Amino acid sequence: GAGVSQSPSNKVTEKGKDVELRCDPISGHTALYWYRQSLGQGLEFLIYFQGNSAPDKSGLPSDRFSAERTGGSVSTLTIQRTQQEDSAVYLCASSLAGLAGGQETQYFGPGTRLLVL
Amino acid sequence: GENVEQHPSTLSVQEGDSAVIKCTYSDSASNYFPWYKQELGKRPQLIIDIRSNVGEKKDQRIAVTLNKTAKHFSLHITETQPEDSAVYFCAASNTNRDDKIIFGKGTRLHILP
Repeated sequence: GAGVSQSPSNKVTEKGKDVELRCDPISGHTALYWYRQSLGQGLEFLIYFQGNSAPDKSGLPSDRFSAERTGGSVSTLTIQRTQQEDSAVYLCASSLAGLAGGQETQYFGPGTRLLVL
Repeated sequence: GENVEQHPSTLSVQEGDSAVIKCTYSDSASNYFPWYKQELGKRPQLIIDIRSNVGEKKDQRIAVTLNKTAKHFSLHITETQPEDSAVYFCAASNTNRDDKIIFGKGTRLHILP
């Protein structure tokens, strides 16, 4: 079946502009995660959505970053007034989640490579 | 919150030898420990995971061990092959609280011919 998809695959923008990154999770997955991966670095947690609960925004690096998840499916990560240090690959993942075992596996999208000039 | 440390950051082993990557975690309530492999230019993919009710799990050439008392867990790859070259991430989660997974910073594994 279809996996997690993200768009655009690449985005080049000028410093100070706003960008929107989109994530389509696997159908039926209730949990959705955003991560940032800088060149050669690890996976930095940004935000986590679980069902209708309030999102866990504890990883967002500044108030220029925000995310929405409409209808419990598609999510958009918005970066306002982009800075050069925002340049990274932004990865989205989804999982079935829940308290039962075996549902925690996160399936990653291909990522959006963001370059801020 | 949870903090996951991973070592080494880079590891080179001769093809056919074994590789070991080690991680420690800070939250004693964490009960789920997945390992992800990320090949160059590709997305991370789950390769194996272990829960806190077991001490070891094996799947062909890969195995994970967990020491709950010491709060550390390790990935072991035996008989390494060129296709094992990748970045490996360990992670920890408390699934009784939520499904947020905290990742280590990754280990770049090079398999030398």
